[in-house]
Amino acid sequence: SQKIEQNSEALNIQEGKTATLTCNYTNYSPAYLQWYRQDPGRGPVFLLLIRENEKEKRKERLKVTFDTTLKQSLFHITASQPADSATYLCALNTNAGKSTFGDGTTLTVKP
Amino acid sequence: DGGITQSPKYLFRKEGQNVTLSCEQNLNHDAMYWYRQDPGQGLRLIYYSQIVNDFQKGDIAEGYSVSREKKESFPLTVTSAQKNPTAFYLCASSLRVRADTQYFGPGTRLTVL
Repeated sequence: SQKIEQNSEALNIQEGKTATLTCNYTNYSPAYLQWYRQDPGRGPVFLLLIRENEKEKRKERLKVTFDTTLKQSLFHITASQPADSATYLCALNTNAGKSTFGDGTTLTVKP
Repeated sequence: DGGITQSPKYLFRKEGQNVTLSCEQNLNHDAMYWYRQDPGQGLRLIYYSQIVNDFQKGDIAEGYSVSREKKESFPLTVTSAQKNPTAFYLCASSLRVRADTQYFGPGTRLTVL
């Protein structure tokens, strides 16, 4: 069956360091992959999208990579700040358009 | 929360009662979605709609119903047949079903007593 796994439920890092979050999938051939940020009690907010034929995407301090051979996406936040503390969700999309979300990784950046 | 409103933010109901959650968008998007989120888990798709008067079941449609009579509105009814209705419900919209980005509302937290 199709499965999406995001690395450990919680990730704690020191301010200024790079946070790296992982999204692995099995039995899936996504056309593209998205990363969202979700704060407690609120709806997710779109961050970045990467397509199957792209290796890397950047937006300010954010970087996403997509390896369809390894079936993995990595999400990096450089020079992390306490304001980056949130839950980050990856979502895989097929060409049919339906999104399947992972369970999320909660990031805490300590000052 | 990008032009999508959900009301109310908190909702309490007694077991056995049907309850309808509101979702309105002013983004002129064709596609709308309903997700359920349980603590520590990701989003699971309940229903989605590509166009007015059309909708499809998602992964966990049992015990739920929807309607799409207007482009702007996609209400979700949680029926008494839903065995574990207490959850955080999120509505989203996108330009098309096959569009890249979904815009989410602020969510409704439903508690069934």
